[in-house]
Amino acid sequence: RKEVEQDPGPFNVPEGATVAFNCTYSNSASQSFFWYRQDCRKEPKLLMSVYSSGNEDGRFTAQLNRASQYISLLIRDSKLSDSATYLCVVNPKAGNNRKLIWGLGTSLAVNP
Amino acid sequence: DAGVTQSPTHLIKTRGQQVTLRCSPKSGHDTVSWYQQALGQGPQFIFQYYEEEERQRGNFPDRFSGHQFPNYSSELNVNALWLGDSALYLCASSLVTGGTDTQYFGPGTRLTVL
Repeated sequence: RKEVEQDPGPFNVPEGATVAFNCTYSNSASQSFFWYRQDCRKEPKLLMSVYSSGNEDGRFTAQLNRASQYISLLIRDSKLSDSATYLCVVNPKAGNNRKLIWGLGTSLAVNP
Repeated sequence: DAGVTQSPTHLIKTRGQQVTLRCSPKSGHDTVSWYQQALGQGPQFIFQYYEEEERQRGNFPDRFSGHQFPNYSSELNVNALWLGDSALYLCASSLVTGGTDTQYFGPGTRLTVL
């Protein structure tokens, strides 16, 4: 099993739709979690950190489910500009391990 | 507040050559991580530098080496380049004492090996 797994998609949705991505992780001791957004041929940009209590930033909501070892990202009222690849990142933080583990990304295309 | 900067933005080399990529971290950050991202793949961790030492290393051969300077900037060196090294090389900076290890990326260096 991969350390971090995401559905690669692509997810094709119309403008205004609500779309959700899940990401599963294998290390139950993982400490911190992030969602990054990456546009084609650009660097990843931090979208949001994921906290145990869940967090919301405008149209974006992130949730963490430790029991089932997954994190989710919900995008409401999708915009054309949301089209990108969304990368799930997990920090195991076991001992001195500070290496972030990256998923392969989920591709989203928002259509007019 | 300057973000993470990398140079050069693009580079073309031939097989067997050596390359040096450079990164300046975000102001106030002390840790630099390097990643390789091939087309259609997620970033693959190469190594991380903190206090001028390599602290973590991913599954990359010794041809990949690095350095961190007292001002926290960093270099990535790749020797004996081969075609498979063609990728986007990303540098990310973070603050060790920050607790969450949130990383911020530079724009990357796109390396093409012919």
